[in-house]
Amino acid sequence: AQRVTQPEKLLSVFKGAPVELKCNYSYSGSPELFWYVQYSRQRLQLLLRHISRESIKGFTADLNKGETSFHLKKPFAQEEDSAMYYCALIPSNTGKLIFGQGTTLQVKP
Amino acid sequence: DVKVTQSSRYLVKRTGEKVFLECVQDMDHENMFWYRQDPGLGLRLIYFSYDVKMKEKGDIPEGYSVSREKKERFSLILESASTNQTSMYLCASMAASYEQYFGPGTRLTVT
Repeated sequence: AQRVTQPEKLLSVFKGAPVELKCNYSYSGSPELFWYVQYSRQRLQLLLRHISRESIKGFTADLNKGETSFHLKKPFAQEEDSAMYYCALIPSNTGKLIFGQGTTLQVKP
Repeated sequence: DVKVTQSSRYLVKRTGEKVFLECVQDMDHENMFWYRQDPGLGLRLIYFSYDVKMKEKGDIPEGYSVSREKKERFSLILESASTNQTSMYLCASMAASYEQYFGPGTRLTVT
């Protein structure tokens, strides 16, 4: 079965600390993986996708096929990073996003 | 800028009422989606549509139906609202790149 798991409901860190939001997936083919973010009172939006290999707002995510993981990382968290983060998977050629349960990141001053 | 709009930000309905949630996108996207967002459950796909008058069930279609008469508009219908349908409903449209663009959401309360 295709599944995305985000094991942490809440991750709380202090400003300036490193952040790692975990994402594991279950899919037998070649997945396309995304991180979406929802800031308070804003709509859900794309943060980054593995295929582009970009760093957005200081966040990076590496696809590890051996561990079936796509963890989101940032070396120094900022208060404005506080938000809900969703990891998502598109199985090949389907167009249907499968979302994880979401992780709330709280960055304390 | 892609715009996805939803007809209401907040709705309060009574059990048994028929409820219509409307979504409009202005980027000529073929694929559109309806999700519900619940704490601890993430986003769950209700229905999606890959063309006008075409629709497919998602993971939780029970109690819902959809309509896509025009490319830019995708409607979600709750035939007979129940309290367990109280939720945040998100509409999205998808670009050819597979990036999904979301609307602001409709918070529906069924009493």
